[in-house]
Amino acid sequence: DQQVKQNSPSLSVQEGRISILNCDYTNSMFDYFLWYKKYPAEGPTFLISISSIKDKNEDGRFTVFLNKSAKHLSLHIVPSQPGDSAVYFCAAYFGNEKLTFGTGTRLTIIP
Amino acid sequence: SQTIHQWPATLVQPVGSPLSLECTVEGTSNPNLYWYRQAAGRGLQLLFYSVGIGQISSEVPQNLSASRPQDRQFILSSKKLLLSDSGFYLCAWSAGAGVGVEQYFGPGTRLTVT
Repeated sequence: DQQVKQNSPSLSVQEGRISILNCDYTNSMFDYFLWYKKYPAEGPTFLISISSIKDKNEDGRFTVFLNKSAKHLSLHIVPSQPGDSAVYFCAAYFGNEKLTFGTGTRLTIIP
Repeated sequence: SQTIHQWPATLVQPVGSPLSLECTVEGTSNPNLYWYRQAAGRGLQLLFYSVGIGQISSEVPQNLSASRPQDRQFILSSKKLLLSDSGFYLCAWSAGAGVGVEQYFGPGTRLTVT
């Protein structure tokens, strides 16, 4: 039962343009959402998070949008840079000390 | 600041051999600790988590086990490795609900079972 889904396994974006990574969830009990970035052979790095009481959170080039009615969140990266090429995981939390991760989207930034 | 260590970084073990992976956290007390596995081309699978010394919750029934002998030490073990145990093992910590649910990951251990 995949409660957090990232339906696009890969995405390619031109350098300087906007990258939009999407994530859908099924459990309405989730109240906190996170995005992680992972390079090969390294541990994931926490990027940005959002509480379910908000619909937007911004940190530099990264913005996360949450649409609770659609059970959908997205990560926008503007402008995209070559160092953004990585696998991005979304994750969700609902108070049980655990995160539920999506399967990841591989982002490739084309110079 | 907090730091999380994992070792070894890489490991090649024959089928049927034992396993011990260690994770330690510095700069925080009473963290939640987690073991994940990432199989090739797959997502992050939670294996075990611990909210305190001696408290271990298992997420996936398998031939792996975990222990937390000290507050900031988390160990992943197996008595007999299977080929299917190959993967990238990640340890993570969080401050816990009420403080912070973000998890922070170590550098990982690449395990190859031959």
